[in-house]
Amino acid sequence: AQTVTQSQPEMSVQEAETVTLSCTYDTSESDYYLFWYKQPPSRQMILVIRQEAYKQQNATENRFSVNFQKAAKSFSLKISDSQLGDAAMYFCAYRSAAGNQFYFGTGTSLTVIP
Amino acid sequence: KAGVTQTPRYLIKTRGQQVTLSCSPISGHRSVSWYQQTPGQGLQFLFEYFSETQRNKGNFPGRFSGRQFSNSRSEMNVSTLELGDSALYLCASSMGLWGDTDTQYFGPGTRLTVL
Repeated sequence: AQTVTQSQPEMSVQEAETVTLSCTYDTSESDYYLFWYKQPPSRQMILVIRQEAYKQQNATENRFSVNFQKAAKSFSLKISDSQLGDAAMYFCAYRSAAGNQFYFGTGTSLTVIP
Repeated sequence: KAGVTQTPRYLIKTRGQQVTLSCSPISGHRSVSWYQQTPGQGLQFLFEYFSETQRNKGNFPGRFSGRQFSNSRSEMNVSTLELGDSALYLCASSMGLWGDTDTQYFGPGTRLTVL
């Protein structure tokens, strides 16, 4: 089974600064999708950004971007100009192109310091 | 479109009881997946239903079961509750077509506490 590893249980960043959250995964598949989800305290999990493995270009959504290194099986999330509302638990997730089962990392709790 | 809804939002049960949780997916979505979220384990996949059939199953005991109705609404049942079943249970819906654009959208979760 695929595994997703988030090695940073907690991170903090000063407001307006940039922070990078790490994620690595293990798979023998060549075609898959990667996701970052955000779960604010006591609130619903929402999709932040997704990346298709066959695309070399890194995905970007406003202040959120990823650094996708397929050979290294690494998928980090960069948050630029951090805002107080970015404080949340961030989960990295993997989905095979041939199935609908998601595999999640254990999450990184991000604190934004005013 | 309305989002994924889950009922009830909070439940308190005692050991040995059973519980049923409900999930209504986004309109048009045919896949519903269930996850157990605990502080130490993160999100653990329970099972996925697509068109009323269980399509994927995680590594949970048989006390955990589910079903899906013709309108894609899904229920999850846990029998003979144990203290370790205390968790946030999340439901996620998607088109379920395994396509390029398929993404899971999560509900707010049901917080189950077993005493």
